Amino acid sequence: QVQLVQSGAEVKNPGASVKVSCKASGYTFTDYYLHWVRQAPGQGLEWMGMINANTGGTNYAQNFQDRVIMTRDTSITTAYMELSRLTSDDTAVYYCAREFHGGYFDYWGQGTLVTVSS
Amino acid sequence: QTVVTQEPSLTVSPGGTVTLTCASNTGAVTSAYFPNWFQQKPGQAPRALIYTTTNKHSWTPARFSGSLVGGKAALTLSGVQPDDEAEYYCLLYYGGAWVFGGGTKLTVL
Repeated sequence: QVQLVQSGAEVKNPGASVKVSCKASGYTFTDYYLHWVRQAPGQGLEWMGMINANTGGTNYAQNFQDRVIMTRDTSITTAYMELSRLTSDDTAVYYCAREFHGGYFDYWGQGTLVTVSS
Repeated sequence: QTVVTQEPSLTVSPGGTVTLTCASNTGAVTSAYFPNWFQQKPGQAPRALIYTTTNKHSWTPARFSGSLVGGKAALTLSGVQPDDEAEYYCLLYYGGAWVFGGGTKLTVL
């Protein structure tokens, strides 16, 4: 069965970076894109960007262009999202979600809570 | 700045029918925006319901349907059940980027 299992909760100081992982299983990793979406407390969903798991090509939302990096390691079928220069506004649950080419979103990870606090 | 707009909240009676909409400030929503719909309950990850305007996942209950109505993407729930109380989000494609709507809180009362 398809699973996207994310890394555990993180607490970071302002100005630090965080790297969240998304371990995929149950399907051919390189056939899909992986997206990253975040949700601040009590707020809606915000698309951050995506990575083509086959080519490693990325598209980032304009809001995150200068401080997010999405990567993947096909040998361990894992995608990563690294966000730098954290502020309290980055406190949120971060999700990975799978997309088959052409807008077919289906499975989501369980979410990773990132708390930015001094 | 691309903005995707949904009704902030809607209320429906059990057994009733309700339509949630998803509009774009860039103009009419078409199938080229690949509309997706997601349901989210408190404390849970979002769950995909509809992809590319009208298509259901294997787990999507038959009472959910997607369409285009009046230049917007729409999600219709027919025969609403108490378990349908949740937040619903649409997602639209803008040539390399995706944008979520602000969400609709659906209350079943």
